[in-house]
Amino acid sequence: RKEVEQDPGPFNVPEGATVAFNCTYSNSASQSFFWYRQDCRKEPKLLMSVYSSGNEDGRFTAQLNRASQYISLLIRDSKLSDSATYLCVVPAQGGKLIFGQGTELSVKP
Amino acid sequence: DTEVTQTPKHLVMGMTNKKSLKCEQHMGHRAMYWYKQKAKKPPELMFVYSYEKLSINESVPSRFSPECPNSSLLNLHLHALQPEDSALYLCASSRENGYYQETQYFGPGTRLLVL
Repeated sequence: RKEVEQDPGPFNVPEGATVAFNCTYSNSASQSFFWYRQDCRKEPKLLMSVYSSGNEDGRFTAQLNRASQYISLLIRDSKLSDSATYLCVVPAQGGKLIFGQGTELSVKP
Repeated sequence: DTEVTQTPKHLVMGMTNKKSLKCEQHMGHRAMYWYKQKAKKPPELMFVYSYEKLSINESVPSRFSPECPNSSLLNLHLHALQPEDSALYLCASSRENGYYQETQYFGPGTRLLVL
């Protein structure tokens, strides 16, 4: 089992849609998690941190299920500008970040 | 200000050239990182510096040589690279290193092409 696994995508959704991405992780000792967003040919940028059961920031909601070792990211009322690759990231010892393969989202008019 | 800067933005080099990539942050972060990213893949960790000392080398070939002159600067010296080394090279920093909850902030990257 990979350390971090994500839905491969791509997800093609219309503007205004609600879309959810899933991520599973293998290390049950992991305490915190991140969602990064990466636009084409740009650097990853932190979208949300998740330390407890979940986190909400405007249209974005991240949920954590420790028992199932599962993290999700929900985007409501999708905008064209939400088109990007979303990376599920699990910190590991020594400052390493374990990245999922990323889920590509394309929001269409 | 959560800004990490990198120069140059783009670099084309031959296999016999020597070049350097530079990274700078003024956030007082004590941990800095080099990543390599190929198209359609996630970033891969190369090196970690903590308090200006190399703490992790992910078995990177010696043609890549990192250097941390001070707490704000991180260099990556390149020599005798191969075409397969062409990629986006990302620098990142975090307040500390070794704590699970530390956020890493990425620079815009240097897009390297080796001919």
